[in-house]
Amino acid sequence: DAKTTQPNSMESNEEEPVHLPCNHSTISGTDYIHWYRQLPSQGPEYVIHGLTSNVNNRMASLAIAEDRKSSTLILHRATLRDAAVYYCILSLTGTASKLTFGTGTRLQVTL
Amino acid sequence: DAGVIQSPRHEVTEMGQEVTLRCKPISGHDYLFWYRQTMMRGLELLIYFNNNVPIDDSGMPEDRFSAKMPNASFSTLKIQPSEPRDSAVYFCASSFRPGAGQGAGELFFGEGSRLTVL
Repeated sequence: DAKTTQPNSMESNEEEPVHLPCNHSTISGTDYIHWYRQLPSQGPEYVIHGLTSNVNNRMASLAIAEDRKSSTLILHRATLRDAAVYYCILSLTGTASKLTFGTGTRLQVTL
Repeated sequence: DAGVIQSPRHEVTEMGQEVTLRCKPISGHDYLFWYRQTMMRGLELLIYFNNNVPIDDSGMPEDRFSAKMPNASFSTLKIQPSEPRDSAVYFCASSFRPGAGQGAGELFFGEGSRLTVL
């Protein structure tokens, strides 16, 4: 199965942009890239997902490399409420509804 | 909609007792997932259903675990007998069937059931 690799932790200052990287060098052509985040003491929540083109929504932007072997979740202005564990997940061809979470990146946001 | 509803929120039990966790998915969702989260192993997918039918239970740790979905609005995860190593937060999630070429449907998670087995 294609796997993702993320840094264990990152820090950011409030009001600054945050770029959370994810490597998925063995991704297949039809595997989607999904991002979820988990706030403290809550269940994970959907952030964004995409296939090839960059995607934007009210929460974040997703930049996907041209070769699709990596992607970056961009939070344009981090707030203290964005402190969470961010998971980059591939939905694998043929198992489109099955999402396997890795260890994610723990984002700390400081004043 | 109230979202995915799980009960109980907290359960403390003794080793050997039966534990039943309950989940009410969002109305109209086709898929239901059970995950378990521990510090050591992170978030693990235990089992998921599509239209009330179990599709993949390869993540269920052993025969002590069983899950059912008798109808579209209710699912249970049962552990019998429970052991201390089953202590974890158990999450239920549901989603719509994704449209063609859209990847996985967005998962909506409940708040989790924190299980402690003494």
